[in-house]
This record gives sequence, structure tokens and C-alpha cells, in this order.
Amino acid sequence: EIVLTQSPDFQSVTPKEKVTITCRASQSIGSSLHWYQQKPHQSPKLLIEYASQSISGVPSRFSGSGSGRDFTLTINSLEAEDAAAYYCHQSSHLPWTFGQGTKVEIK
Amino acid sequence: EVQLVESGGGLGQPGGSLRLSCAASGFTLSSYSMNWVRQAPGKGLEWVSYISSSSTTIYYVDSVKGRFTISRDNAKNSLYLQMNSLRDEDTAVYYCARVKNGGWYSDYWGQGTLVTVSS
Repeated sequence: EIVLTQSPDFQSVTPKEKVTITCRASQSIGSSLHWYQQKPHQSPKLLIEYASQSISGVPSRFSGSGSGRDFTLTINSLEAEDAAAYYCHQSSHLPWTFGQGTKVEIK
Repeated sequence: EVQLVESGGGLGQPGGSLRLSCAASGFTLSSYSMNWVRQAPGKGLEWVSYISSSSTTIYYVDSVKGRFTISRDNAKNSLYLQMNSLRDEDTAVYYCARVKNGGWYSDYWGQGTLVTVSS
């Protein structure tokens, strides 16, 4: 099973700051890495697919990068509405797995 | 608008059974594979099961193999998860999620239904 390890687990950030969340896979997964946002009491929402491909309707301040084992989600100029948990997810090898999540809090 | 509405959650006894349903609308269910994903209270996401558009390919996470059965009825625009031999660790919100065409990951999720396993 591929283990995805996110860092950090928690981040408290001031609005307009830049946020960087990393996701490391236990083995290479190419670009089959996707990012989700889950706001409190809501279901997950797809933010980024295949490591760096943007999703229609998602604000441009969200971007992704990486390949192989190391991936990054960047939120440029954080807004209050971005308070949420963020999960990386690999679809390269069964069983498909998720990172443990990173909770972003607004100061 | 894509909509996925889960139902059938509730309190289940250890060793007991529950059947979850997911009603799909706003898209042609028969053209999409589907996933079930769960989230234990206060925890992260765990993929549970996958079914292809025509039910020819089915996958499960090891922890539910032999206990859970995924199925679908495209004519009724519905997805199901039969959960047998329930365990405490099956307690979670269960989401049905549409699989993005050409991939294995989900692009739209329902709001989830809570399953609580307790005596």
C-alpha cells in the first residue's frame, strides 16, 4: 500500500499569506496525485488533478506541483474562505489512498 | 448540476448489516464509474470500493473484502453498498463519489451518510 505523508498536520495562517502543503508518497506514483479541500461539515471538493492540472471553477490562487514521490499544494494569498482540511490522494496503485490531511486555520 | 444523495445510514449492531444507497442525478450514471469513500469521526478519508460503469470491474480495500458488496442499477440511477458483518471500525460517514472519466479518482461527492456501529 502506498502511504502518503502530508506536512504539516496543522497550519495557522494570516489572510493574504502564502500556504504550502507537501505530500510525500512511499513510492513513485508519477503524476497520479490529486488534491481535495474539505470545509467543516462538507464533503471533499476536487482542487487539483494530476499533480498540477487546475480544475474549472477553482480559484487560481490554488496550484499544485511535483511528480514521482514529492508533491506540493500552494495557496497564494490565503482568504478566510480557505479555512479547511486539505488532502492529497493517489490513484496510481490499489488500494487508492489519501494523506492524513492538513488543517489550515485562519488567524 | 451533478447531485449525489446518500441514504441508509444509521445505527448498526456489531455483526449486523446495513445497506447504503446513493441516488445520482444531473448526469448519466451509466457513463461513469463510482467510488465509496468513508471518513471516521474526526479522521481522514479512506477509499472503500470502486465499481466500473457496467459493473464489470469491482475493487475493495482489504479491510472490507468479503464483508461489503458494491453494486449499481443504472436504470434506477442508483449505487449501493451492502455492508455485512459490521465492526466498530466501520463507524464513519460514507460518501458516494463519481469517478472522473479516464481516471480512478473522484470529481463529485455526495454529502455522506453516517454509519454508527455499536451495541
